[in-house]
Amino acid sequence: AQTVTQSQPEMSVQEAETVTLSCTYDTSESDYYLFWYKQPPSRQMILVIRQEAYKQQNATENRFSVNFQKAAKSFSLKISDSQLGDAAMYFCAYRSADSGGGADGLTFGKGTHLIIQP
Amino acid sequence: NAGVTQTPKFQVLKTGQSMTLQCAQDMNHEYMSWYRQDPGMGLRLIHYSVGAGITDQGEVPNGYNVSRSTTEDFPLRLLSAAPSQTSVYFCASSYRAYSGNTIYFGEGSWLTVV
Repeated sequence: AQTVTQSQPEMSVQEAETVTLSCTYDTSESDYYLFWYKQPPSRQMILVIRQEAYKQQNATENRFSVNFQKAAKSFSLKISDSQLGDAAMYFCAYRSADSGGGADGLTFGKGTHLIIQP
Repeated sequence: NAGVTQTPKFQVLKTGQSMTLQCAQDMNHEYMSWYRQDPGMGLRLIHYSVGAGITDQGEVPNGYNVSRSTTEDFPLRLLSAAPSQTSVYFCASSYRAYSGNTIYFGEGSWLTVV
């Protein structure tokens, strides 16, 4: 079974600064997908960014980018030019690409609460 | 754009009662799933389906039942509610199973068992 670990329960950053959220995972699979989801106080789950394990190039979506280190099983999220609207819980998640393996679904970390200081 | 629709949004149950959380998607998605979110935790997979007539267990399936008679609907049944099932429940869907397709989530259903 896969596990996802987010070691930072809470992070704080000044508005307009850059912050990096950490995520590590454990798997024996070679093909999989990694995601970062944002959950504001409304509890809506919003996809921020995704990464295919077979792609070496790090994914980027506007102010959001990842540092994917497959050998180290690390998948950190960098938020540039932080905005007040970025304040939320951020969850790292793993999804297998192997239909012959276990259950299909997202395995989540426990989340990082991101606070934006004005 | 309806996306993934869950009902009810809030529910209070007494211990031992049964109920069904409804989930519907209008995106013709093959894959549907249910998660629960407890305080201080990420979401955990309860049950999932990779197509009509096919369901399987996730990480925390005990006390829950599902069926998938149509592509659109994936209800979650609590057979005999227990206080430990107090949680926020999310239904989610994606175009394909075991893929990098975006998984879309419903808005959540807050369930309290007293």
